[in-house]
Amino acid sequence: AQSVTQLGSHVSVSEGALVLLRCNYSSSVPPYLFWYVQYPNQGLQLLLKYTSAATLVKGINGFEAEFKKSETSFHLTKPSAHMSDAAEYFCAVSGETSYDKVIFGPGTSLSVIP
Amino acid sequence: DTEVTQTPKHLVMGMTNKKSLKCEQHMGHRAMYWYKQKAKKPPELMFVYSYEKLSINESVPSRFSPECPNSSLLNLHLHALQPEDSALYLCASSQEVNRVYEQYFGPGTRLTVT
Repeated sequence: AQSVTQLGSHVSVSEGALVLLRCNYSSSVPPYLFWYVQYPNQGLQLLLKYTSAATLVKGINGFEAEFKKSETSFHLTKPSAHMSDAAEYFCAVSGETSYDKVIFGPGTSLSVIP
Repeated sequence: DTEVTQTPKHLVMGMTNKKSLKCEQHMGHRAMYWYKQKAKKPPELMFVYSYEKLSINESVPSRFSPECPNSSLLNLHLHALQPEDSALYLCASSQEVNRVYEQYFGPGTRLTVT
């Protein structure tokens, strides 16, 4: 069955430093992959998605992710962290059982230190 | 309009009460979802409606009863809940584009069962 793991339940970075949030997936079919962000007391917002069109995907707020099939990874990066990036980040996968069923990873909480 | 609205924002109910959560979208999306989210955890899928028909029920207890009166509206009827049902309930909608379902989430209803 499809699954997602996110290494590091909590990541801290300094303001202006590189943000790297890790996501690895397991899927028996070519996956569709997503990164969502959740700010406190809010719903989830889509940052970016991989749909097999391009391996490097650019999203909103300066984030990007690279799909690496050989490593079954889809890590999220941002060159320079901003205080407003502090939030919970979820990696998600779909496409195995049905295209409308999205499997979320456990999440990574990002803290940004001034 | 890319908004999913949910009412109420907060709900406190006793174990013998009957209440309903409401979700609305006007993006023309034909898939709508209910998720349950506990603190510091990813959303857990409860139900999926596709073209106003229930397509996925993730073995949710019968004290949760979904309803999709029309393509824009999704309800979740609650009856005889347990304290462990206290959580953030998220609604989402999506439209398929080349087998990719990009989900738009509402802000959620914070439910407390006393």
